[in-house]
Amino acid sequence: QAVLTQPSSLSASPGASASLTCTLRSGINVGTYRIYWYQQKPGSPPQYLLRYKSDSDKQQGSGVPSRFSGSKDASANAGILLISGLQSEDEADYYCMIWHSSVVVFGGGTKLTVL
Amino acid sequence: EVQLVESGGGLVKPGGSLRLSCAASGFTFSSYSMNWVRQAPGKGLEWVSSISSSSSYIYYADSVKGRFTISRDNAKNSLYLQMNSLRAEDTAVYYCARGVPAAMSGWFDPWGQGTLVTVSS
Repeated sequence: QAVLTQPSSLSASPGASASLTCTLRSGINVGTYRIYWYQQKPGSPPQYLLRYKSDSDKQQGSGVPSRFSGSKDASANAGILLISGLQSEDEADYYCMIWHSSVVVFGGGTKLTVL
Repeated sequence: EVQLVESGGGLVKPGGSLRLSCAASGFTFSSYSMNWVRQAPGKGLEWVSSISSSSSYIYYADSVKGRFTISRDNAKNSLYLQMNSLRAEDTAVYYCARGVPAAMSGWFDPWGQGTLVTVSS
């Protein structure tokens, strides 16, 4: 079982909100991790969006709009990237990341389609 | 402006070696941890290695441990990745990414444009 699992794809309409999940493997408690989120558009390197551990431990990347936010669902053992007011330019691949025992782990990525 | 520019990629035969470089500018290189991340064609991101600002701490993914060596030259504002015993599955775009100051675990920002490594006979 992968350490971080993301749905491979998600579709949403312009103006709507999209909730991208990053589920941690059973036995790894989401509450103890800072989860980092990245956006990657075709042909470009990834860009850092934000970090979220809790409402008191979070950070927005430089220049990242406030409509990108992080949260957690403890019951699902998952981190969440919420994108509100979807725009066509938000269509991209999104990756979550954690540091786990001196190792960096990326989720498999979610391809977000805005249509 | 913070800039990271990778170089050294190319076509190499299985079992061969390659050395990637990442030239940094626009920030105090010696204060930041640095990282290599790769992305196989059409695939997701895979972390390769990280190094602390003073090279005191170095971490590798299991997939490259014993074959790849990360290093840095703070006087030259440069990060390196020596890749030996290359395999077809090492084929990927290799990105250099800045870490955080005075620590290892943190975000990667910014990323370079990447350099393509192709391992094929």
